[in-house]
Amino acid sequence: GEDVEQSLFLSVREGDSSVINCTYTDSSSTYLYWYKQEPGAGLQLLTYIFSNMDMKQDQRLTVLLNKKDKHLSLRIADTQTGDSAIYFCAESTSGTYKYIFGTGTRLKVLA
Amino acid sequence: DTAVSQTPKYLVTQMGNDKSIKCEQNLGHDTMYWYKQDSKKFLKIMFSYNNKELIINETVPNRFSPKSPDKAHLNLHINSLELGDSAVYFCASSQERRTAPYEQYFGPGTRLTVT
Repeated sequence: GEDVEQSLFLSVREGDSSVINCTYTDSSSTYLYWYKQEPGAGLQLLTYIFSNMDMKQDQRLTVLLNKKDKHLSLRIADTQTGDSAIYFCAESTSGTYKYIFGTGTRLKVLA
Repeated sequence: DTAVSQTPKYLVTQMGNDKSIKCEQNLGHDTMYWYKQDSKKFLKIMFSYNNKELIINETVPNRFSPKSPDKAHLNLHINSLELGDSAVYFCASSQERRTAPYEQYFGPGTRLTVT
């Protein structure tokens, strides 16, 4: 079956950049997403990228996609304590109902 | 206005009991989901309904039975609860679009504790 893997933990200092990585196995993925889960809450969509794009920037967020290596990353510039959360990547495939979430990365921002 | 709501938020019950979790969305979406998030925060899809029709049914014990009385509701009934059922259960909804990106909107979760 398809897998979406992430490293479990990341710790950064306030003001630094954070880079959260994700690898996936399904080459038919059409869209890739990043979701944020704050403590005690459900997931919320941060951003997404179409699979034929390499990069997408949205304010402090930069998404990089290497389709050849099936590698997705989320860079958060000037990380703040409010960015502490669990980040999930996800993929969906056009023409199917498939929507798969990754294993999640817990980001801890140190003041 | 809450987009996706779940009740109850917390549920503590004993092994062997039967319980239900309710989910409602007021977004007009046609697809609803149930996910289980374990203590390590792994998120696993359980079921998905599109227009009241079951479209995803992952390997879940048949003690779990979803019911969708209409497009806005997807309830989860669990029979003979076991300790391993303890987790946070999330309901989500989306307006599924086959040729465009679409967001899943999550409820706040129901923390189920089986003792």
